[in-house]
Amino acid sequence: QLQLQESGPGLVKPSETLSLRCTVSGGSINTHYWSWIRQSPGKGLEWIANIYYAGGTYYNPSLKSRVTISVDSSNQFSLEVRSVTAADTAVYFCARATGRWREFEYWGQGMLVSVSS
Amino acid sequence: EIVLTQSPATLSLSPGERATLSCRASQNIDNNLAWYQQKPGQAPRLLIYDASTRATGIPARFSGSGFGTDFTLTISRLEPEDFAVYYCQQRYNLLTFGGGSKVEIK
Repeated sequence: QLQLQESGPGLVKPSETLSLRCTVSGGSINTHYWSWIRQSPGKGLEWIANIYYAGGTYYNPSLKSRVTISVDSSNQFSLEVRSVTAADTAVYFCARATGRWREFEYWGQGMLVSVSS
Repeated sequence: EIVLTQSPATLSLSPGERATLSCRASQNIDNNLAWYQQKPGQAPRLLIYDASTRATGIPARFSGSGFGTDFTLTISRLEPEDFAVYYCQQRYNLLTFGGGSKVEIK
């Protein structure tokens, strides 16, 4: 059974960079598309970015200038959000998509990241 | 950006009753719509994709319909574990989610 687990700091200071990692077990990153999605009380569920192991990154235009998604290894991928503000406070989920522009079939449990000084 | 509007915001029903949830897109999205269920403290769970296809392991009491701009998720007979928040998501142009509908116990 495929499992995903987010990790990283739970607290980030304003103007700094938020860095999260997703570890995939029970399967390889070398197939499918992998995604980051966040959920905040103010904006609900928001897709952030997709990546394909062989190359190809896709970003939400509203976040593209501040975000980078990357594959770290055969079972990990990451997210960076630069110049964070309080509006970036959210639960961040990593997920596996069924295709480049498709639905999300496997999700991590989610990780709360707060932006505060 | 395609905006998805879900209604009602909250639906109060009893176990065994039928739930009908609506998702309206701001423009045509053909059948490029998925539905998810989310319980407190959990990630969303994929229920339906391509507007009407049940995901693996999803009970037959969940059904989806619609095309173009108007979509419906129906739960034929509510089980206790079905009380949750439901979200729709479109993939016609980028990926966006609706604001959610909560199904609560009456």
